[in-house]
Amino acid sequence: DTGVSQDPRHKITKRGQNVTFRCDPISEHNRLYWYRQTLGQGPEFLTYFQNEAQLEKSRLLSDRFSAERPKGSFSTLEIQRTEQGDSAMYLCASSLAKTATNEKLFFGSGTQLSVL
Amino acid sequence: SQQGEEDPQALSIQEGENATMNCSYKTSINNLQWYRQNSGRGLVHLILIRSNEREKHSGRLRVTLDTSKKSSSLLITASRAADTASYFCATDEYRSGAQKLVFGQGTRLTINP
Repeated sequence: DTGVSQDPRHKITKRGQNVTFRCDPISEHNRLYWYRQTLGQGPEFLTYFQNEAQLEKSRLLSDRFSAERPKGSFSTLEIQRTEQGDSAMYLCASSLAKTATNEKLFFGSGTQLSVL
Repeated sequence: SQQGEEDPQALSIQEGENATMNCSYKTSINNLQWYRQNSGRGLVHLILIRSNEREKHSGRLRVTLDTSKKSSSLLITASRAADTASYFCATDEYRSGAQKLVFGQGTRLTINP
């Protein structure tokens, strides 16, 4: 029984570079979420997918952020022209949702991004 | 923006004591969930309570929900050193045209052996 996996676990990049993170959800889960978490804070919602459709995107996400979930399987989150303020833990979660209600989420271990 | 506000922000108790954390929120919800996070790791789901429920138990965990006061509490009984972690409440709410799970800022719990 595999859980949600995220890759890489850590990413160090220089300001202005592009980075891409990958998330593999639990295989039968139809909903996939991305959250961002800074030290001492709770996770902040970024975006989520129902199968391959991106249903919602937070105003927190500037045009430099883009997420995809091709074929409703794995998802990627790309940040272009990174800034130091992008440094955070990026968390992916998945769930099996039968209604619009958000049920129990299963989280990956996160990707810790450091922008120098 | 955060929805739930946890209280206290930090709590330190002796092993064996009970720990109580509170969460307040502002809008109507479908359910409220509690998660645990060990340092540098992802979150782990603990318990979900629906808006029409008032109390729920799971092992050493007890959760209450008061929708009239828009508040919830998480009680951990007979605490253990392994319970040291951050605890977050999350509310399922309709906001800005979409159903979202919105997290609070968390309570950092330390159990002293």
